[in-house]
This record gives sequence, structure tokens and C-alpha cells, in this order.
Amino acid sequence: EVQLVESGGGLVQPGGSLRLSCAASGFTFSSYSMSWVRQAPGKGLEWVSSISGSGGSTYYADSVKGRFTISRDNSKNTLYLQMNSLRAEDTAVYYCAKRMRTTSYDPFDYWGQGTLVTVSS
Amino acid sequence: DIQMTQSPSFLSASVGDRVTITCRASQSISRYLNWYQQKPGKAPKLLIYAASSLQSGVPSRFSGSGSGTDFTLTISSLQPEDFATYYCQESYSTLTFGGGTKVEIK
Repeated sequence: EVQLVESGGGLVQPGGSLRLSCAASGFTFSSYSMSWVRQAPGKGLEWVSSISGSGGSTYYADSVKGRFTISRDNSKNTLYLQMNSLRAEDTAVYYCAKRMRTTSYDPFDYWGQGTLVTVSS
Repeated sequence: DIQMTQSPSFLSASVGDRVTITCRASQSISRYLNWYQQKPGKAPKLLIYAASSLQSGVPSRFSGSGSGTDFTLTISSLQPEDFATYYCQESYSTLTFGGGTKVEIK
């Protein structure tokens, strides 16, 4: 059974940093691209970042480019999101998500339960 | 960037109703269009991918159609568990989501 479990969310001051983790199990982690998607309170879904299975290719939404860094440790089956220079508008539930297959056109077939990040003074 | 526009943003319907939600892309995305269902406090769930392919385990009352820029999600007979918010997403380019359609009980 595929499982994705996020952790690392919490309250942080504007300008601060936070690192999210997503522990994966039930599939060959290194074979699949992984992504982070966020949802601000009462709002819709926003893709944040993606990383290839090997970790060699990364992609970011313009809203987080230069501030967030996605990475993965395939030996630990874990996905990360390092978030720096956080802003109030980064407040959201952050989900990690797995691509269905191995192409860039594939949808997200599994999602974690989400972890809440609140940026506030 | 590709923009995804869903309509309506809200709809009120009764159990047994046929419901249609539309999604329009700002440029052609071929058939790289996916639909998700989200219930309050839960993660999104994949319903339809590649415009019309039903995800494993999803009831057959859900169907999708379209190509290019115009797409439709149809629920043939709305069930109580279908009251939720539905999102389209393009997977042609930057994985942009539509704004969502909240389906509520009339």
C-alpha cells in the first residue's frame, strides 16, 4: 500500500525557514517524480515544486522560485522541501504527491495527508 | 503560463441529479487534463486522468471528456458521498489547477 506521510509544518515568523519532509512507502520511490502542492486556507490547489526520480531535475512555481528548494533522499525514501524567506502568503497546507507513472504528463495518483505551515508574527 | 478556468465555481444539486462541470484551458493542452475530488480536511483524490480515463476504484458514474482547450467532468447520478469540491488540472505544462467547483446539496 502506497503511503505518503508529511511532517515538519508549524508556526514560523515572516522571513523564517522551515523544512518539510515526506516519508514514502509501498512503491519504488526512486522510480517516480514527486511533487509538493499547497492549499491556502479556504483556497484552491497550487502546484509548488517537482523533482525527478533521480533528483537530477527540479521545477518550481514562480511564486516560490529562489526561496524554496526541493530535494530527495532515495536511500531514505524521503522527499523534502526547504522553505526560506517565508511570507504570510506561504501559509497553507502542504501536500506531497506522487506521479502516477514516469512521464511528465502523468497526474498525481497518491497524496499525503498534508502538513500545515503558518507564517505569522 | 497556462490558465485553467472552471465553471461553475459553485453548484447546488440533489441526489440523483446529472451534474456537469467544465474546465477551459487558455491554450491547447491536448488531452493532458485530470480531475480530482476533495472533501473538507482531506487530500485530493484522483478521479479522471488523460481527459477521460477513469482511475482505478472510482465509480463509473464519473466520466470525463474533451480535448484541446475544453473539458467536462460529468457525474451521471449524484450520490451523497459526491458532495465535495472538484478541481481540474493540466499536466501538459506547469501542472496548473483550476479554481475548483464546490458541489453542495440542494
